[in-house]
Amino acid sequence: DAGVTQSPTHLIKTRGQQVTLRCSPKSGHDTVSWYQQALGQGPQFIFQYYEEEERQRGNFPDRFSGHQFPNYSSELNVNALLLGDSALYLCASSSGSRGPYGYTFGSGTRLTVV
Amino acid sequence: GQQLNQSPQSMFIQEGEDVSMNCTSSSIFNTWLWYKQDPGEGPVLLIALYKAGELTSNGRLTAQFGITRKDSFLNISASIPSDVGIYFCAGLIQGAQKLVFGQGTRLTINP
Repeated sequence: DAGVTQSPTHLIKTRGQQVTLRCSPKSGHDTVSWYQQALGQGPQFIFQYYEEEERQRGNFPDRFSGHQFPNYSSELNVNALLLGDSALYLCASSSGSRGPYGYTFGSGTRLTVV
Repeated sequence: GQQLNQSPQSMFIQEGEDVSMNCTSSSIFNTWLWYKQDPGEGPVLLIALYKAGELTSNGRLTAQFGITRKDSFLNISASIPSDVGIYFCAGLIQGAQKLVFGQGTRLTINP
């Protein structure tokens, strides 16, 4: 049974560019949450998608946007990249009925902005 | 916004020693969770606590949900090399969908 799959695993972008990160949830999960983890810090909540809608959003600017597809997979888009966007981006899937208790995290995408 | 203060930031211990770390907040949480993160991986859930005062064990790990609902601690007994990693506490407010994480405790074990 595949867990949460994230792609790519590593990415280097130039300041001002745009990036798209992808997440396939664990089988049976219908909810996807995205977290940003800066080096040496704990993950910070970006937003959560359920039924193809953004259900809740953390304290991140509009440059961060997302999408959920009918097969429950999700994308995180970041526009106008800043050096401070360099981080590990984690996707967590869960079942809508269990909420964050049932989170399964992926291994993340390491984004470096130069 | 909510913040969790986790301490210590790092620990260097000998194999076989017991470990204790804690997490405090200025806000009340309805659920406390403890995660472990290995290099290159996402966090993995160790223990979930749902009631104030609750004490829960998972093998050599024991965690408690503070009575005030503003703190939690995690103990690891008789540490072994595979316990090396970063431990995170996380809090959840009832009705919210997001976890609030602490800054992590990095555990290093000298054999």
